[in-house]
Amino acid sequence: EVQLLESGGGLVQPGESLRLSCAASGFTYSTYVMGWVRQAPGKGLEWVSGISGSGGSTHYADSVKGRFTISRDNSKSTLYLQMNSLRADDTAVYYCARGGYTSHVALNWGQGTLVTASS
Amino acid sequence: EIVLTQSPGTLSLSPGERATLSCRASQSVSSNLLAWYQQKPGQAPRLLIYGASSRATGIPDRFSGSGSGTDFTLTISRLEPEDFAVYYCQQYGTSPPITFGQGTRLEIK
Repeated sequence: EVQLLESGGGLVQPGESLRLSCAASGFTYSTYVMGWVRQAPGKGLEWVSGISGSGGSTHYADSVKGRFTISRDNSKSTLYLQMNSLRADDTAVYYCARGGYTSHVALNWGQGTLVTASS
Repeated sequence: EIVLTQSPGTLSLSPGERATLSCRASQSVSSNLLAWYQQKPGQAPRLLIYGASSRATGIPDRFSGSGSGTDFTLTISRLEPEDFAVYYCQQYGTSPPITFGQGTRLEIK
């Protein structure tokens, strides 16, 4: 059974940093695209970032480019999202998602972790 | 960036009825790489359809997807009580950025 477990969310002040983690199990982690999708309170889904199975290719939404960094440790089956210079409009539930072998379709989702950037 | 527009915003139907949800893209979706997700309150989304018309594992056959190019449809043939939720389409093309539609809320009439 595929399991994705996010952690690292919390309350931070605007301008601060936070690192999210997603521990994966139940599949051959290194062969799948992984990504992050967020959902602001009461709003729709927004794709944030994706990374290839090897980690050699990364992509970002324009809204986070230059501030967020996605990475993965295939030896630990763990996905990360380093979030710097957080803004109030980054407040959202952040979901970890397993993609396809090369595509960014979200086959499986974690339960989400809430990030709140507020003073 | 491909913009996806879903309609209607809210759909009010009764159990047993047929639901038709629309997703229109601002430009052609590469290789029909279009997915549909269901989200219930307080839960993570769940993949229903990928590649425009392929059902994900464990999805009942009352859910079907169709369309190509810029116009896509999710059909639920006979609504069950558990189908009332918010539905999102997503294009995942050949390369990012990936985009979602704004969602259609399916509510009980």
